[in-house]
Amino acid sequence: GAVVSQHPSRVICKSGTSVKIECRSLDFQATTMFWYRQFPKKSLMLMATSNEGSKATYEQGVEKDKFLINHASLTLSTLTVTSAHPEDSSFYICSAPSSGDYNEQFFGPGTRLTVL
Amino acid sequence: GQNIDQPTEMTATEGAIVQINCTYQTSGFNGLFWYQQHAGEAPTFLSYNVLDGLEEKGRFSSFLSRSKGYSYLLLKELQMKDSASYLCAVVDSNYQLIWGAGTKLIIKP
Repeated sequence: GAVVSQHPSRVICKSGTSVKIECRSLDFQATTMFWYRQFPKKSLMLMATSNEGSKATYEQGVEKDKFLINHASLTLSTLTVTSAHPEDSSFYICSAPSSGDYNEQFFGPGTRLTVL
Repeated sequence: GQNIDQPTEMTATEGAIVQINCTYQTSGFNGLFWYQQHAGEAPTFLSYNVLDGLEEKGRFSSFLSRSKGYSYLLLKELQMKDSASYLCAVVDSNYQLIWGAGTKLIIKP
């Protein structure tokens, strides 16, 4: 099956710094990617939909100036957590639907962010 | 390499019981998730198992055997709304999620 990778897998940063997380589709093109946040033993919370070549669509309650999304190519979307604070510490996961079938999604392994 | 296997598709009848299996080979194990995902929606958490045995939550139960690298999700009294994809995901030794490809469950009246 298709593979989605994320980098870094784990990051620890100081409060106030910005952190960039990359999501790549390795063997297929993704015009759309989804960014999720997961709290311990909870459902994945959809944060935003990343669209190649256009602005991301954010879910209600997600600050677009806080979580910057860039989808510059058909295989790469980035999520930048700006001026991170301890409450932003979480597990961030991206996914990409297979081409032509939004019912089938491929998930990345996640990025664990810890803000001190 | 790391691998999660689950059936691609299953069909069951409304009111019946269905078991969705998941087998895994991962570098370490720190728990296993089951998620339900309806088309066009974000996955919904169903269960998290880290110890062997069966955990029951209403119509849904999840079983884990760490020695066998095996889990199953049991759905009872199936309803039409249970038609969805069911995702198995294992947390490995680096606390990364290894995802199964998902099982598409089709419920027929």
